[in-house]
Amino acid sequence: GDSVTQMEGPVTLSEEAFLTINCTYTATGYPSLFWYVQYPGEGLQLLLKATKADDKGSNKGFEATYRKETTSFHLEKGSVQVSDSAVYFCALSDRNFNKFYFGSGTKLNVKP
Amino acid sequence: DVKVTQSSRYLVKRTGEKVFLECVQDMDHENMFWYRQDPGLGLRLIYFSYDVKMKEKGDIPEGYSVSREKKERFSLILESASTNQTSMYLCASSLPQARAETQYFGPGTRLLVL
Repeated sequence: GDSVTQMEGPVTLSEEAFLTINCTYTATGYPSLFWYVQYPGEGLQLLLKATKADDKGSNKGFEATYRKETTSFHLEKGSVQVSDSAVYFCALSDRNFNKFYFGSGTKLNVKP
Repeated sequence: DVKVTQSSRYLVKRTGEKVFLECVQDMDHENMFWYRQDPGLGLRLIYFSYDVKMKEKGDIPEGYSVSREKKERFSLILESASTNQTSMYLCASSLPQARAETQYFGPGTRLLVL
């Protein structure tokens, strides 16, 4: 079945460091891919998405590229801020069955 | 902006109680979802609904039921709460898959079963 695997955390970085959070997926069809962010005490918010191969999603300085050949959707940011501290979830959407599949989440801690 | 609200942010119940978690969305979305979130396990789908009075089991439906009598409201019911149902519960909504795919989440209900 469809699934998402993302790197375990926590990831601890200093402010202005480069961020990569790895995400790979398994899907039978042609899913859409997402990154969601969850700030402390809140629900999940959509960060970015990509709906087909080679698309790049971007928002708030974060980027991820839909790589069909490596079945990956890694999240990157060139310079993280303390306010980026949160839990990040990779997800895919099964277009046929109205279902989303989420990774286990990666907690990011950014220190000043 | 889409708004998804959940009836409680924190809830404490006793084993064996019947528990109702309510979710309301204001954007006329057809799809609604209930997830539970546990450390190290991410989000797991309990039930979803793609129309009024329609429901589908997710990956972990045991011990739960749902009700969708109106389009904007989707209720999760714990028939007889148990301690292993202590968790964060997240509700989400979306348009049908063919039109848009983003899920919009509520703030979550943290349930403690004693």
